[in-house]
Amino acid sequence: QALLQESGPGLVRPSETLSLTCSVSGGSITSDYWSWLRQAPERGLEWIGYLHFTGNTTYTSSLKNRVTISLDKSKTHFSLTLTSVTASDTAIYYCARHRGASFDPWGQGIPITVSS
Amino acid sequence: ELVLTQSPGTLSSSPGESAILSCRASQRVPSRYLAWYQQKPGKAPRLLIRGGYTRATGIPDRFRGSGSGTDFTLTIDRLVPEDSAVYFCQQFGGSPLYGFGPGTRVEIK
Repeated sequence: QALLQESGPGLVRPSETLSLTCSVSGGSITSDYWSWLRQAPERGLEWIGYLHFTGNTTYTSSLKNRVTISLDKSKTHFSLTLTSVTASDTAIYYCARHRGASFDPWGQGIPITVSS
Repeated sequence: ELVLTQSPGTLSSSPGESAILSCRASQRVPSRYLAWYQQKPGKAPRLLIRGGYTRATGIPDRFRGSGSGTDFTLTIDRLVPEDSAVYFCQQFGGSPLYGFGPGTRVEIK
């Protein structure tokens, strides 16, 4: 099955933009839905948004004004962009493939800290 | 807003026993939209059960999902030390579109 791997900076300064990439191997992004999620101790697991291989996206309402998920033209990875970050965006960020209404598999996760 | 509540917060048990984990939704969730995950320290969540009761690939039959409406259960039979983890339930279709419960920590001693 597909293997997912997140990459990006570990530290982002407040008010700046967070950019993450999810690389997919052993599978193709030319099918299914693909999501970004995050997990912070005080907020638990939170779904951020998904991308359909056609390029259509849906975002959670609390973040939709700051988030963009996009598909790379090579269709071997997809990205998350989150603008105007604050300390409350500090979390472990995961990418995942959809399995029906659930998520499987997940990437290993990347810890992101927002701090000056 | 659809809220998932899990109980107990922590469950301590012994090898060979069974664990019963509860997930209660504030609104009805179709069972086909209810999933369970296992998360061990430093690892990503792993899908155990999807569609309310269908085990994911490679998940042993000691893990059973059941329930309907607003009350769902994950039962773990014949507990082994490797089952020590946090277990989350997840719904699709409410608000937010995908939501997770706060988790139940299972300790096997």
